[in-house]
Amino acid sequence: KQEVTQIPAALSVPEGENLVLNCSFTDSAIYNLQWFRQDPGKGLTSLLLIQSSQREQTSGRLNASLDKSSGRSTLYIAASQPGDSATYLCAVLGDMRFGAGTRLTVKP
Amino acid sequence: GAGVSQTPSNKVTEKGKYVELRCDPISGHTALYWYRQSLGQGPEFLIYFQGTGAADDSGLPNDRFFAVRPEGSVSTLKIQRTERGDSAVYLCASSLSPSDGYTFGSGTRLTVV
Repeated sequence: KQEVTQIPAALSVPEGENLVLNCSFTDSAIYNLQWFRQDPGKGLTSLLLIQSSQREQTSGRLNASLDKSSGRSTLYIAASQPGDSATYLCAVLGDMRFGAGTRLTVKP
Repeated sequence: GAGVSQTPSNKVTEKGKYVELRCDPISGHTALYWYRQSLGQGPEFLIYFQGTGAADDSGLPNDRFFAVRPEGSVSTLKIQRTERGDSAVYLCASSLSPSDGYTFGSGTRLTVV
């Protein structure tokens, strides 16, 4: 059974910092991996989808990488802003499993 | 529709009652998923439909939980004899196929009192 782990569970940074969120999975035979953002009391908003054959995907200040051999994906956020404060979740598609998320706070 | 729609957005019910939660996926999405999310936790997989059939129901916690998707579009999650521990946000997502990106609805917050 696929296990998905996200570290750290919570992160607080000052505005403007670059940061990395980590997602690890136990079964490297994944289809694709998707990163989501969840604001308090809201549903999940898709940020990036990485195909299993890709190594990275970029959208604006966000960059997600995928290393299947090591069972890891990272989400890089450049020049963080207070509006980036939310919980970030990764999901291994096909296995339909999520990590517990990283709660990010960006302080003005 | 333009997105995944879930109704109701909030449901308060008494312990022991029966509830139904509805999910209307994006038109043309053959894959539909139900998840349950408790406060501070990631979404917990419940069941996955491919078309009309439940392709994977391994996440349903017990036989009080049941879901249907009779025409391959709208799905209903049914919970019998609700317990206080069933209180959570129930999320529905759909995708073109299991390997395509998921689109989530806003969820139904279920409170069992």
